[in-house]
Amino acid sequence: EPEVTQTPSHQVTQMGQEVILRCVPISNHLYFYWYRQILGQKVEFLVSFYNNEISEKSEIFDDQFSVERPDGSNFTLKIRSTKLEDSAMYFCASGASSGANVLTFGAGSRLTVL
Amino acid sequence: GQSLEQPSEVTAVEGAIVQINCTYQTSGFYGLSWYQQHDGGAPTFLSYNGLDGLEETGRFSSFLSRSDSYGYLLLQELQMKDSASYFCAVSGGYQKVTFGTGTKLQVIP
Repeated sequence: EPEVTQTPSHQVTQMGQEVILRCVPISNHLYFYWYRQILGQKVEFLVSFYNNEISEKSEIFDDQFSVERPDGSNFTLKIRSTKLEDSAMYFCASGASSGANVLTFGAGSRLTVL
Repeated sequence: GQSLEQPSEVTAVEGAIVQINCTYQTSGFYGLSWYQQHDGGAPTFLSYNGLDGLEETGRFSSFLSRSDSYGYLLLQELQMKDSASYFCAVSGGYQKVTFGTGTKLQVIP
């Protein structure tokens, strides 16, 4: 069964450092997403991406964050100058159709900022 | 903006039926989805309602009433492996899916 893969599974970084989280969506999907989940809390929408541009973003997704699809397979989330409160699980998801009816999530990247 | 409310915890007995409710407020609405998340795992898609009514997928059913901004997930013949968190999610913008607060279901013998 097709799956979304994310790397790294866990990253520890110092406050103020830059982090890049990587995702390989399902190959025939066209819509890509990043979510984050602070431990024990709800899944929070960060950004959606379609046709090589951001289609929607939340208030969380400020200038500290950026996304990129550098080639035909990878989808990355960059966090500049990480803060302690950025510690969370970051999930990538992809979908085949507009309207975001069904999202397939990756296993997540756990980010710990010290 | 969008907000979704769910009960925080539900406990049910193995073999029983449980209903998890979700009420939402959103400026745009394309549909209501349900996701399951086991501890330490990723959310996995369970069901989607774009129109009013009941959708059935095996032991799981989901219901939507757009006029009431309300939906529910019904789990029948509960099994221990159904112990997980369940999130409703609204497709409110063109490509924005907002998740609810989540309901932690504990199935007991």
